[in-house]
Amino acid sequence: DTGVSQNPRHKITKRGQNVTFRCDPISEHNRLYWYRQTLGQGPEFLTYFQNEAQLEKSRLLSDRFSAERPKGSFSTLEIQRTEQGDSAMYLCASSFGGGGAYNEQFFGPGTRLTVL
Amino acid sequence: KNEVEQSPQNLTAQEGEFITINCSYSVGISALHWLQQHPGGGIVSLFMLSSGKKKHGRLIATINIQEKHSSLHITASHPRDSAVYICAVQSGSARQLTFGSGTQLTVLP
Repeated sequence: DTGVSQNPRHKITKRGQNVTFRCDPISEHNRLYWYRQTLGQGPEFLTYFQNEAQLEKSRLLSDRFSAERPKGSFSTLEIQRTEQGDSAMYLCASSFGGGGAYNEQFFGPGTRLTVL
Repeated sequence: KNEVEQSPQNLTAQEGEFITINCSYSVGISALHWLQQHPGGGIVSLFMLSSGKKKHGRLIATINIQEKHSSLHITASHPRDSAVYICAVQSGSARQLTFGSGTQLTVLP
């Protein structure tokens, strides 16, 4: 396993279009996170899955955003009716949730979205 | 006020210099992470710590829980250390990270 992968790496779309991103976590990791990073800022949390269950969602995740993780493996993040403010790097991370409350997260390379 | 604040925002150093990046946070935490981000976006975890000090090669991370403060030190800096260094915290039973805005480090040869 070579780590967390994300596809596509870059996406350019027109305002109003729908886009979908995919994240493939490290295979034995049961936790998966989506973050969004705008230029010059640190990433911001969007949502978190433990196995197939979506356990937390940020206020940043408006109704236009939906995420799924069927069967607790890969995850998809869909943005409907994209807006220019959605332009950002979308990062996926995964971790193995053991007995401790905290754990190292492994990040994918990100998907850079540009909305024209 | 952001929950996680880093300083400085930008740092330029000459090769060989000792570098310190600071991180302060305002909430109780279960762990603090130091991460490195290179141009293009890839983020690599450097340290995860909840107390004391950790060392890996030329990198040292310390944390003072009482003062809610952590530092990342780089000894004998090298141009390949040039990157954005990000501090992030995990608090309470939450699993997600709350990030600082990062420190852009440039090491000149």
